[in-house]
Amino acid sequence: QVQLQESGPGLVKPSETLSLTCTVSGGSISSYYWSWIRQPPGKGLEWIGYIYYTGSTKYNPSLKSRVTISVDTSKNQFSLKLTSVTAADTAVYYCARGVETSTIPGYWGQGTLVTVSS
Amino acid sequence: DIVMTQSPDSLTVSLGERATINCKSSQSVLYSSNNNNYLAWYQQKPGQPPKLLIYWASTRESGVPDRFSGSGSGTDFTLTISSLQAEDVALYYCQQYYSTPYTFGQGTKLEIK
Repeated sequence: QVQLQESGPGLVKPSETLSLTCTVSGGSISSYYWSWIRQPPGKGLEWIGYIYYTGSTKYNPSLKSRVTISVDTSKNQFSLKLTSVTAADTAVYYCARGVETSTIPGYWGQGTLVTVSS
Repeated sequence: DIVMTQSPDSLTVSLGERATINCKSSQSVLYSSNNNNYLAWYQQKPGQPPKLLIYWASTRESGVPDRFSGSGSGTDFTLTISSLQAEDVALYYCQQYYSTPYTFGQGTKLEIK
């Protein structure tokens, strides 16, 4: 059974870069779509973007100029970088794997809370 | 962007009764070339990640109890829980994956009466 685990700093200062890694275990990162989704405390879900294992990406235009998703197949990991963060970027960040060959986020990590504060 | 609107925002149902949650998209999420509706339903319990229940509008994810069913096409969709169990208390979200950015409904909070 595939498992996903997010890791990275829980506190980031305003204007700095948020960096998170999702480590995949119990299966290969190849042949799937991998997504990042976030949820501000007490609020709804926002899709950030996805990457295919080949490296092709799609991002949410509302974040596009600030977001980069990358994949490292040798480490079975994929990563999120979000630049110039503000308090509005405070959220639980989830990584997820697509169902079969689709982009539907079907298998989710437990999530990691990232707080933007000085 | 496709706007997803759920109704109601909250729902109180007695144990064993039927629960129905609606989701409306601002444009059709039916892809005519394959006749698939690009619509998913998730369940989220406090402190947990969302759990995929239904995709392609009506395909139940493996392991999901058959009391959960999805229906609808085009712009109007429904998640039905045929006989509410205590463990079904949660937030429920619909999501379209027809076009990026993928978008979610605002969520429906389901409680026991």
